[in-house]
Amino acid sequence: KAGVTQTPRYLIKTRGQQVTLSCSPISGHRSVSWYQQTPGQGLQFLFEYFSETQRNKGNFPGRFSGRQFSNSRSEMNVSTLELGDSALYLCASSLLGGPQETQYFGPGTRLLVL
Amino acid sequence: AQSVTQLGSHVSVSEGALVLLRCNYSSSVPPYLFWYVQYPNQGLQLLLKYTSAATLVKGINGFEAEFKRSETSFHLTKPSAHMSDAAEYFCAVSKETSGSRLTFGEGTQLTVNP
Repeated sequence: KAGVTQTPRYLIKTRGQQVTLSCSPISGHRSVSWYQQTPGQGLQFLFEYFSETQRNKGNFPGRFSGRQFSNSRSEMNVSTLELGDSALYLCASSLLGGPQETQYFGPGTRLLVL
Repeated sequence: AQSVTQLGSHVSVSEGALVLLRCNYSSSVPPYLFWYVQYPNQGLQLLLKYTSAATLVKGINGFEAEFKRSETSFHLTKPSAHMSDAAEYFCAVSKETSGSRLTFGEGTQLTVNP
């Protein structure tokens, strides 16, 4: 079974632009979660989608948004980019999103904002 | 709010020595606990998880962890370190009311010296 895939792997943007990141979960997985990883703040939960609905949301501003499609693929969007948005964005999938389920992580998209 | 604390942002051991990475959690209800490993430029890989089935949990690559409710700890150990164990290790927690949302510790960078 193929793992979680994320595209693109690397991205360079400038302040004020917007960006869209994509995540394809493991086949059959219906829950997709997004995390931001930075040296200063560590790993922080952004949001979780299940069956095309946002089920859980972290403490991030409204500039961060996401969606999930009927095939469980997910995208996250960051509008009006700031320098502090430079980070590794990780996507994780699990079968149903239960708290004791294993989340399988993709390799991440490294975003650099200049 | 639930949280995890990893004691020691950097741990250095000699090859063949015991690995001990510390994790303490704070939670008002029994949590689900996870240890993940991250190699450079990669996503997170699950080492093991505690879901209340057994207090001593065995994971991949010879790692194990013991859940101690009285000490609110879930320390990760490996009897004999290998050079390939050099990586960053994250302890994480979730609970019933948070769904698939993982709260991560700050991470511990493990260095293995020859």
